[in-house]
Amino acid sequence: DVKVTQSSRYLVKRTGEKVFLECVQDMDHENMFWYRQDPGLGLRLIYFSYDVKMKEKGDIPEGYSVSREKKERFSLILESASTNQTSMYLCASSLSSLALETQYFGPGTRLLVL
Amino acid sequence: AQTVTQSQPEMSVQEAETVTLSCTYDTSESDYYLFWYKQPPSRQMILVIRQEAYKQQNATENRFSVNFQKAAKSFSLKISDSQLGDAAMYFCATTSGNTPLVFGKGTRLSVIA
Repeated sequence: DVKVTQSSRYLVKRTGEKVFLECVQDMDHENMFWYRQDPGLGLRLIYFSYDVKMKEKGDIPEGYSVSREKKERFSLILESASTNQTSMYLCASSLSSLALETQYFGPGTRLLVL
Repeated sequence: AQTVTQSQPEMSVQEAETVTLSCTYDTSESDYYLFWYKQPPSRQMILVIRQEAYKQQNATENRFSVNFQKAAKSFSLKISDSQLGDAAMYFCATTSGNTPLVFGKGTRLSVIA
């Protein structure tokens, strides 16, 4: 079974802090994704990566950056956390860029920025 | 750009009954794919069912089936013999293959015992 893990289930940070959210997948997947999930807004794509050291902006990249130094790990960085970044963050991975490939999701990190 | 609309924020169904969740989409692509994902409370999101737009036959996975109306750009999910474990958020999504998945806003399904 594919396993996608995220470093924390719950995280509380203060405004202005630098925040790292880590995601690791164990199935040698090419693609990795970071989403933000908010009630009534569904899932919105922040960044994605089709290969190591490669990144592409999603629909809402402002205030975020990412890093993919190794194939299995995709990090989301909040350079200076703000209260409007309080949200559920979901990581996902898929085997290849083929459209029919299933995305496998992590359990999510619920981030509260005070 | 592709868009996905789920017009029912919340739905409920009696255990053992059938429920249909609605999804409409818009795309300018001729070849695309459609998905339903399920997110149970406090659990990971998983794929329920997928449909390739060029296939006319509706996809089926056990108690889950879709009604794919290509001309109407409609992709509804039917859950038969609903079980308590079906209670979840359900997200409809689409991709053309050249772009990442685009998700709808979700429908929260409650199952009443």
